[in-house]
Amino acid sequence: QLVLTQSPSASASLGASVKLTCTLSSGHSSYAIAWHQQQPEKGPRYLMKLNSDGSHSKGDGIPDRFSGSSSGAERYLTISSLQSEDEADYYCQTWGTGILVFGTGTKVTVL
Amino acid sequence: QVQLQQSGPGLVKPSQTLSLTCAISGDSVSSNSAAWNWIRQSPSRGLEWLGRTYYRSKWYNDYAASVKSRITINPDTSKNQFSLQLNSVTPEDTAVYYCARGGYSYGLYYMDVWGKGTTVTVSS
Repeated sequence: QLVLTQSPSASASLGASVKLTCTLSSGHSSYAIAWHQQQPEKGPRYLMKLNSDGSHSKGDGIPDRFSGSSSGAERYLTISSLQSEDEADYYCQTWGTGILVFGTGTKVTVL
Repeated sequence: QVQLQQSGPGLVKPSQTLSLTCAISGDSVSSNSAAWNWIRQSPSRGLEWLGRTYYRSKWYNDYAASVKSRITINPDTSKNQFSLQLNSVTPEDTAVYYCARGGYSYGLYYMDVWGKGTTVTVSS
């Protein structure tokens, strides 16, 4: 079964970096994913798609401080130089044989 | 720039039909490369994909197993929009509903444009 696992929360200080992890379930380690950001009281916004080799492509207008990387079944989103507006929920998403799957999201708090 | 504008009632009675519409600007519902999706979000279920409609020489639909018996997603080419109908709703269908554009890239199907969301409450 295709499942995406995310930690519930992460925090870092203003101006620092934070690295979020999305783990693909067994047997799906080659899958690409997408990252989405959801700021408080807003709808999700597409950030980037991320391949198993770490190559990634960002959506229009997404700042350079957002980057992606991969290792095995893990897909990462790194936010550098954290800003207050980066405080949000971050979801990973993938697709497998007729079903679209979301992770449960990681809430990022900017200290 | 693609934008999706949602409309529809925010309150639906149990056993009735939930109906929402998503108007597209900057793209076409008949696009040969995009698909048009409905997704909902609730505290209990998180983000849940409901289904999609897309055109590839003819119209196709895919629906999530959890709602397959109750859902219809239809394109409206005359208005460049698509709609969601969810029948026989219960309070469990209370959620924020989003429309979204989907596309493919190297085997990944992903949402790259989202609507703002419509809060739908199922209650008598």
